[in-house]
Amino acid sequence: SQTIHQWPATLVQPVGSPLSLECTVEGTSNPNLYWYRQAAGRGLQLLFYSVGIGQISSEVPQNLSASRPQDRQFILSSKKLLLSDSGFYLCAWGGGGPNTGELFFGEGSRLTVL
Amino acid sequence: AQSVTQLDSHVSVSEGTPVLLRCNYSSSYSPSLFWYVQHPNKGLQLLLKYTSAATLVKGINGFEAEFKKSETSFHLTKPSAHMSDAAEYFCVVSPSGGSYIPTFGRGTSLIVHP
Repeated sequence: SQTIHQWPATLVQPVGSPLSLECTVEGTSNPNLYWYRQAAGRGLQLLFYSVGIGQISSEVPQNLSASRPQDRQFILSSKKLLLSDSGFYLCAWGGGGPNTGELFFGEGSRLTVL
Repeated sequence: AQSVTQLDSHVSVSEGTPVLLRCNYSSSYSPSLFWYVQHPNKGLQLLLKYTSAATLVKGINGFEAEFKKSETSFHLTKPSAHMSDAAEYFCVVSPSGGSYIPTFGRGTSLIVHP
């Protein structure tokens, strides 16, 4: 069966520090991969998605970046965090096709920028 | 383009009473529709999905939803609420036209009183 792992689960970072969140998927190949963010009490905001290795689409201009170095690995990064980067980050994978709305989410990473 | 409107940001019920979470969609084609649940500080979990088969869809934990094309609705229901149902619920419509981005509603917070 397919599983998705996301880490770290929580982190507290100072403003201006770098960030790296990692997500890996097991049990499937060539998944569509997504990074979402939830601010406190808000809905889901799509940050990036990827349909293949090295293919990254950005939905929101910001100081974050994403990379997909391997088929089932998706990384969210920042060189210098801002206070506004605080939030709950969710990685998800989907199979595409007619069920593109069917996504499988990781447990999330809560980032607090101080 | 498609859109999703969750008509209530918060729904409050007593334990043992019925639950109704409302979702309306707009789509230029016959969509696939999904409901997800998110418990605090957790990732989203798929509750149920409609993909052009039976219009009444049964999901996990006693939830079900009915696809009504004439009303462009996909409301989520449960006959009897349990305390563990308290969570955030998201209605989602699959993308069209080769897009890889499902459209999420803003979410409905379900509050269950003892």
